[in-house]
Amino acid sequence: SQQGEEDPQALSIQEGENATMNCSYKTSINNLQWYRQNSGRGLVHLILIRSNEREKHSGRLRVTLDTSKKSSSLLITASRAADTASYFCATSKAAGNKLTFGGGTRVLVKP
Amino acid sequence: GAGVSQSPRYKVAKRGQDVALRCDPISGHVSLFWYQQALGQGPEFLTYFQNEAQLDKSGLPSDRFFAERPEGSVSTLKIQRTQQEDSAVYLCASSTTGTSGGNEQFFGPGTRLTVL
Repeated sequence: SQQGEEDPQALSIQEGENATMNCSYKTSINNLQWYRQNSGRGLVHLILIRSNEREKHSGRLRVTLDTSKKSSSLLITASRAADTASYFCATSKAAGNKLTFGGGTRVLVKP
Repeated sequence: GAGVSQSPRYKVAKRGQDVALRCDPISGHVSLFWYQQALGQGPEFLTYFQNEAQLDKSGLPSDRFFAERPEGSVSTLKIQRTQQEDSAVYLCASSTTGTSGGNEQFFGPGTRLTVL
């Protein structure tokens, strides 16, 4: 069974717009990570945020974490067609431990 | 620097056949994970190795699934008497030993198993 849920399940935007997706989880965590998966390919790590952090940036990515609400959001600014992919959040109860993934958000960026 | 590699990339098996899926982790990575990803779903944890020790196999769905990593490097996931519900993509990931800094995992391209 999966730890969390992602919302929306699918998102379609125009190139240049921002994309926001949310992730909710159920139990206490050590860290939360976001991964991207292009069609038919493996997962690529995007960003990790620890449970004692509230916000983190990496390039065009911004991640927030609210442990009181057990939720996280991923914002992709100024989207590009190459950002078209599925995005998954994954939680870990301890550093070095297994990941529990959400169901993913499928993002389509139209040129 | 090579990433995680998996073979075969695609495998078609007849129901009842045994299959073996191979994972070559990044050199020097202590931790190795196997996940199963059904179509349209997120990956689900199967099992975890630290070096050659299998520390967690709680995600293996049945005793038909068996994984090993005898020398602490290459790992093999074996599925005996395959069933149609075993059809999925099997992902392998490796990482350095977890520290207080977290645990980014590096994923291979996966093996897509189809059981007819």
